Amino acid sequence: EAGVAQSPRYKIIEKRQSVAFWCNPISGHATLYWYQQILGQGPKLLIQFQNNGVVDDSQLPKDRFSAERLKGVDSTLKIQPAKLEDSAVYLCASSRLRDSRRHGYTFGSGTRLTVV
Amino acid sequence: ELKVEQNPLFLSMQEGKNYTIYCNYSTTSDRLYWYRQDPGKSLESLFVLLSNGAVKQEGRLMASLDTKARLSTLHITAAVHDLSATYFCAVVQGAQKLVFGQGTRLTINP
Repeated sequence: EAGVAQSPRYKIIEKRQSVAFWCNPISGHATLYWYQQILGQGPKLLIQFQNNGVVDDSQLPKDRFSAERLKGVDSTLKIQPAKLEDSAVYLCASSRLRDSRRHGYTFGSGTRLTVV
Repeated sequence: ELKVEQNPLFLSMQEGKNYTIYCNYSTTSDRLYWYRQDPGKSLESLFVLLSNGAVKQEGRLMASLDTKARLSTLHITAAVHDLSATYFCAVVQGAQKLVFGQGTRLTINP
């Protein structure tokens, strides 16, 4: 089966600019996650969707970050305006409960964001 | 709030040696995962551990889980250079939320 697709792979922007990332999960996976991974750290959950509803966005900086999952499939994560500390890799992952008990969650290749 | 701690954070070892990475977590969970990440790459699932006493092995890697102690170990046997990577443990909290440890950067020298 196809994996989790993310685009773009790399993005360089100036601070105060806006940026958007796109994720297409594995077909049939109801749960979608966005994680932020700062260099040298473990991934941190930003937002979790179940179908097109938000399950957990407690660590999403809502003054500048927003995310949506239209029709319970693709998702976009937006940052506006970006700050230097937003430089990180943004990972999208998806899961289906019965699969996650056997195979874990599947991660995309990530988008590496550099804010200058 | 669930905390996941790994140690060591950095590990440099010689080929052929054995070593263990430890993962402690602070609250009860029914699932623990181990992932591998190569530089500039995404996360690759290695093991899923579901129950107390679970042990999984793949090649030179073996993972175990002690839910009573809230401890998982990843044991490396006779290390080879190809195993150099960063290893993460991650624990499920609540409705499938995955909480990661800080990662252990493993370097295996010839």
